[in-house]
Amino acid sequence: DIVMTQSPDSLAVSLGERATINCKSSQSVLYSSNNKNYLAWYQQKPGQPPKVLIYWASARESGVPDRFSGSGSGTDFTLTISSLQAEDVAVYYCQQYYSSPFTFGPGTKVDI
Amino acid sequence: EVQLLESGGDLVQPGGSLRLSCAASGFTFSSYAMHWVRQAPGKGLEWVSVISNSDGSTFYADSVKGRFTISRDNSRNTLYLQMTSLRAEDMAIYYCAKGGDGSRYSFSDYWGRGTLVTVSS
Repeated sequence: DIVMTQSPDSLAVSLGERATINCKSSQSVLYSSNNKNYLAWYQQKPGQPPKVLIYWASARESGVPDRFSGSGSGTDFTLTISSLQAEDVAVYYCQQYYSSPFTFGPGTKVDI
Repeated sequence: EVQLLESGGDLVQPGGSLRLSCAASGFTFSSYAMHWVRQAPGKGLEWVSVISNSDGSTFYADSVKGRFTISRDNSRNTLYLQMTSLRAEDMAIYYCAKGGDGSRYSFSDYWGRGTLVTVSS
């Protein structure tokens, strides 16, 4: 199984400042035949289901603010919130869908 | 508007069985893979299973393999999860999620609000 790790476990960022979350997979999730990284990022607010932010490592889901961006390839990935807003307080998860089981990272809690 | 409505969650004794359903609307159900993902109280997300759109091919997490069965009825726009030999560690909110495309190898772009499964004697 591919093990997903995230760092940090939690972080507190001032309003308007940048937040950076890292995700690492135990093996590459880059599929060479289509050059796509099978990596997604989700946001989960308390009492709500998760919401996809980023897929294919860097493609932003429709309707997601452009302050959210994803980068990385192979085994190392980053979710960046360029200017943190109050509504961004949530837990963020990465997930690989390269090989079954499609494992999630443990989550990173973002606070103000 | 995509809607996913889970049902069937209940209190069940260890060793018991339960069938979850997920009624889908707002998209062409038969064109997309569908996932089940669970979340134990206060814990992170755990992917459970996926079924492809057309041939019904499936994958399972090791923790549920042999005990859970995912299926779909494209004529009823409904996804199912048959759970048997339930254990205390299966207690969680179970989310139904739509795949980003028809392949099993898909992320989840829409999620239901979940149904709670409690396993306790």
